[in-house]
Amino acid sequence: EDQVTQSPEALRLQEGESSSLNCSYTVSGLRGLFWYRQDPGKGPEFLFTLYSAGEEKEKERLKATLTKKESFLHITAPKPEDSATYLCAVQARDDKIIFGKGTRLHILP
Amino acid sequence: DAGVIQSPRHEVTEMGQEVTLRCKPISGHDYLFWYRQTMMRGLELLIYFNNNVPIDDSGMPEDRFSAKMPNASFSTLKIQPSEPRDSAVYFCASRTGDYNSPLHFGNGTRLTVT
Repeated sequence: EDQVTQSPEALRLQEGESSSLNCSYTVSGLRGLFWYRQDPGKGPEFLFTLYSAGEEKEKERLKATLTKKESFLHITAPKPEDSATYLCAVQARDDKIIFGKGTRLHILP
Repeated sequence: DAGVIQSPRHEVTEMGQEVTLRCKPISGHDYLFWYRQTMMRGLELLIYFNNNVPIDDSGMPEDRFSAKMPNASFSTLKIQPSEPRDSAVYFCASRTGDYNSPLHFGNGTRLTVT
């Protein structure tokens, strides 16, 4: 069964304190791994797609990486506006897109 | 680009009543997904459509739930009869038919069943 597990569930950082969020997955025939950001009261907002092991994508203070079993979202020198829930999702051969439960990130000023 | 539009934003109803949630996908998107989000279970896939045809409804919790997509610009998710355990935020999302295209989400409908 396809599965996505994210850790930690919640993370509190001081402004400027870099860290990483983890997404481990088991899926039959990975077609893509996605990272989303979700703010309270809003729908998830797309950040990145990763297709194959070794791939990396960057956007401002965020960098996503992918191996055969997991993905990391690295946050460098975060700011309070980076506070949100970060969701990881995988797409298997059958077009289903399965999400993890997310990591709630809180950046303290 | 208006994005995915869901209505209503909030719905409060009594147990046993019928609830209908609505979604307008982004024009030109071939796929439409319905998800339910709770603190305990996160985002759960309920059903998805390709070109208005339901492809996989294995995530629909029980027969009280039904979804339709009568045309490319409209979908509904109906719960009849509703129960308190159905309380959640329901999201609709759409994507193009391109390989690995990402989902675009609406802002959800917060359903409370009392």
